[in-house]
Amino acid sequence: EVQLLESGGRLVQPGGSLRLSCAASGFAFNNYAMSWVRQAPGKGLEWVSTINNVGTSTYYPPSVKGRFTISRDNSKNTLYLQMNSLRAEDTAIYYCAAPYYYDSRAFDPWGQGALVTVSS
Amino acid sequence: QSVLTQPPSASGTPGQRVTISCSGSSSNIGSNTVKWYQQFPGTAPKLLIYSNNQRPSGVPDRFSGSKSGTSASLAISGLQSEDEAHYYCAAWEDSLNGVVFGGGTKLTVL
Repeated sequence: EVQLLESGGRLVQPGGSLRLSCAASGFAFNNYAMSWVRQAPGKGLEWVSTINNVGTSTYYPPSVKGRFTISRDNSKNTLYLQMNSLRAEDTAIYYCAAPYYYDSRAFDPWGQGALVTVSS
Repeated sequence: QSVLTQPPSASGTPGQRVTISCSGSSSNIGSNTVKWYQQFPGTAPKLLIYSNNQRPSGVPDRFSGSKSGTSASLAISGLQSEDEAHYYCAAWEDSLNGVVFGGGTKLTVL
């Protein structure tokens, strides 16, 4: 069974840093690109970042580019999201997501999410 | 402000057919396939439709998707109380080199 388990979410002050982790199991992690998607409280979904299967290519929307860094350790089957210069508007549940087998630009499955709260 | 536009709410009675629209542009829906996700409160989203109109294994055939030009629709026939959830459309955005989502539609079963 494919499983994604995020960790590292917590309360952090504005301007601070945080690293999220996503432990993957049940599939050949090193064969697939992986992504982060976030959801602010009571709001919709926002794509945050994608990394290719070997970690050599990364992609971000303007809202986080230059502040967030996605990475992976294929030897540990783990995906990371380093978040710097955090702002109140970064408060959200952060989900890691794998590509769907039959459509690589669809996300399935998703992890259970990690809550990041940016507040003083 | 989401790149893809969905109505914030939709409703129907049990057994009815409801549709949820999703409007985009030439750089997203117009040139890429549409996905739909279902999300219940407090849980992660689940893939409902991929490649415009394909259902993953286990998704009931009451759910169907379609696309025309720069718009797409999700149809739910034989509406059931357990269909009450939020629904999000998504598509690849060429200018972003990433995925864009609609703002989500809250479906209420009356």
